[in-house]
Amino acid sequence: AQSVTQLDSQVPVFEEAPVELRCNYSSSVSVYLFWYVQYPNQGLQLLLKYLSGSTLVKGINGFEAEFNKSQTSFHLRKPSVHISDTAEYFCAVSDFGADRGSTLGRLYFGRGTQLTVWP
Amino acid sequence: ETGVTQTPRHLVMGMTNKKSLKCEQHLGHNAMYWYKQSAKKPLELMFVYNFKEQTENNSVPSRFSPECPNSSHLFLHLHTLQPEDSALYLCASSQDPVGGRTDTQYFGPGTRLTVL
Repeated sequence: AQSVTQLDSQVPVFEEAPVELRCNYSSSVSVYLFWYVQYPNQGLQLLLKYLSGSTLVKGINGFEAEFNKSQTSFHLRKPSVHISDTAEYFCAVSDFGADRGSTLGRLYFGRGTQLTVWP
Repeated sequence: ETGVTQTPRHLVMGMTNKKSLKCEQHLGHNAMYWYKQSAKKPLELMFVYNFKEQTENNSVPSRFSPECPNSSHLFLHLHTLQPEDSALYLCASSQDPVGGRTDTQYFGPGTRLTVL
């Protein structure tokens, strides 16, 4: 089974400051990696995903993430945050190990990081 | 209407009630999912349907009963729930179950359920 650890449950920052939300995963097989955002009273929305290729992935709203296989990390970054970025952010992994059929479509989520941007 | 919709958005029910949650996706997807989101816990996958067939039941108690009459609609029937079942229930869909791990899952806004 896979597991995802989001190291910070809450991250407060001031507007226009840079931010990094940390995500580490454990897996014995190759994985696909995702970041989702959840605004208040809404469902989850995909920010970006890593499937293969370049380890630096750019997403919506100016966010990017870097896949580091040796450190099993997929940290999310934004160089300058806005108040509208206040939301909960979820890291998720999906494996494509040997037993493909039984885990088709399964995502393993972290507990989430609440990002609060102050004026 | 576009995307994934869920009704009702809020539901309060007693432990002896029977109610149903509805999910509809307008994206032409073939796979649909039910998740439970509780405070301070990771999202829990409950059920997966591919082409209307249930392919995964993640050890969910029988007081939760899913139904998928077609690829666009998914229901979660609730009966004799417990207060600890209070949570946000999220529905999601994805395009194609074949090689489905690469598929983005699109989520609805959720139903906030309170069991008294």
